Amino acid sequence: GIQVEQSPPDLILQEGANSTLRCNFSDSVNNLQWFHQNPWGQLINLFYIPSGTKQNGRLSATTVATERYSLLYISSSQTTDSGVYFCAVLFGNEKLTFGTGTRLTIIP
Amino acid sequence: DAMVIQNPRYQVTQFGKPVTLSCSQTLNHNVMYWYQQKSSQAPKLLFHYYDKDFNNEADTPDNFQSRRPNTSFCFLDIRSPGLGDAAMYLCATSRDQALEQFFGPGTRLTVL
Repeated sequence: GIQVEQSPPDLILQEGANSTLRCNFSDSVNNLQWFHQNPWGQLINLFYIPSGTKQNGRLSATTVATERYSLLYISSSQTTDSGVYFCAVLFGNEKLTFGTGTRLTIIP
Repeated sequence: DAMVIQNPRYQVTQFGKPVTLSCSQTLNHNVMYWYQQKSSQAPKLLFHYYDKDFNNEADTPDNFQSRRPNTSFCFLDIRSPGLGDAAMYLCATSRDQALEQFFGPGTRLTVL
């Protein structure tokens, strides 16, 4: 079956630190999204990035489709960055498949 | 602002008492999705509508049904909630299949 793996599963950082979250997937993708799930449970869209590199403020993402991975970079972390980060991929017309998530905790 | 709205944000129901969760969207998207997310797990797709066409996931229990009376609204009906149905229920939309999905804030369901 389709495999989407995220690493690390947990990450604890001091405020101001930088971090890199990784998403590996087992097949070619039509769609890859990164989400931040905040402590209230809302899934917030960060990037729609089936390939290439995008930046939005302190966050950026890169997807290398040929090598089947995507990276999410967070610079100068703030406590509001805490939560769970999911990548989700779509193969063909199949359903969006979520990874297992990375739980990020930013300590003041 | 265009958005996906879910009501209520928190819902408490009794074991076996039917409950309906609501989702509306101002994005005019063709596709609407319902996901269930249990604690410390990733969201799991229950079903989706492409326009008026209903698509049920094979492992979605019969206890869960959905209605989409028009483009803007979609409802999730749980006919006889069990304790195992306590979860966050997330609604999402996309302009078309295989395109970016946008999520609402979710409804957290508690079953007593």
